[in-house]
Amino acid sequence: GENVEQHPSTLSVQEGDSAVIKCTYSDSASNYFPWYKQELGKGPQLIIDIRSNVGEKKDQRIAVTLNKTAKHFSLHITETQPEDSAVYFCVLLSGSARQLTFGSGTQLTVLP
Amino acid sequence: SQTIHQWPATLVQPVGSPLSLECTVEGTSNPNLYWYRQAAGRGLQLLFYSVGIGQISSEVPQNLSASRPQDRQFILSSKKLLLSDSGFYLCAWSAYVNTGELFFGEGSRLTVL
Repeated sequence: GENVEQHPSTLSVQEGDSAVIKCTYSDSASNYFPWYKQELGKGPQLIIDIRSNVGEKKDQRIAVTLNKTAKHFSLHITETQPEDSAVYFCVLLSGSARQLTFGSGTQLTVLP
Repeated sequence: SQTIHQWPATLVQPVGSPLSLECTVEGTSNPNLYWYRQAAGRGLQLLFYSVGIGQISSEVPQNLSASRPQDRQFILSSKKLLLSDSGFYLCAWSAYVNTGELFFGEGSRLTVL
């Protein structure tokens, strides 16, 4: 199936700093790229998504960028807060398989 | 509003015993339903999905099975658990198959001893 690589696997930042998580993929037909946040002991929740006809999307402190040529997309969190601490997953919809594929996740820790 | 319930929240079972995890969705009709497993580490692996009553697609050959006896009920089962079945199982629903938002339940943590 479609492969998506997510980096880094762990990320620690000081409160107020920015955090960036990057994912790369190989299927050029992929056209939907959501990001999910999973807090400890809970199911993941969608926080932002982007479709292939857009290069960037922002929602308050969260932004996602997509580079279809280079086949990577990134999550940017600015002015991080302790409640941003969670596991973040990039996801993509494979154009060929029509399945959502989850990245391996990034454990983000925001230090007060 | 729509809600998804999943139970039990935690389960400790001996090797070789049966398993039944249940998931129900409220507030929507004909949802697409999914079972994911999250093993040690953090990745989510799709196990089964269903687009309607009695329609089950299996993504990974394994010791588990799924059933959808009612429109908003999805059950994950095993006749004989293996140690490797331990993990965090997540039920989810969506309005559209794999093209929109997934709404996850709170998860069921299974430990096989």
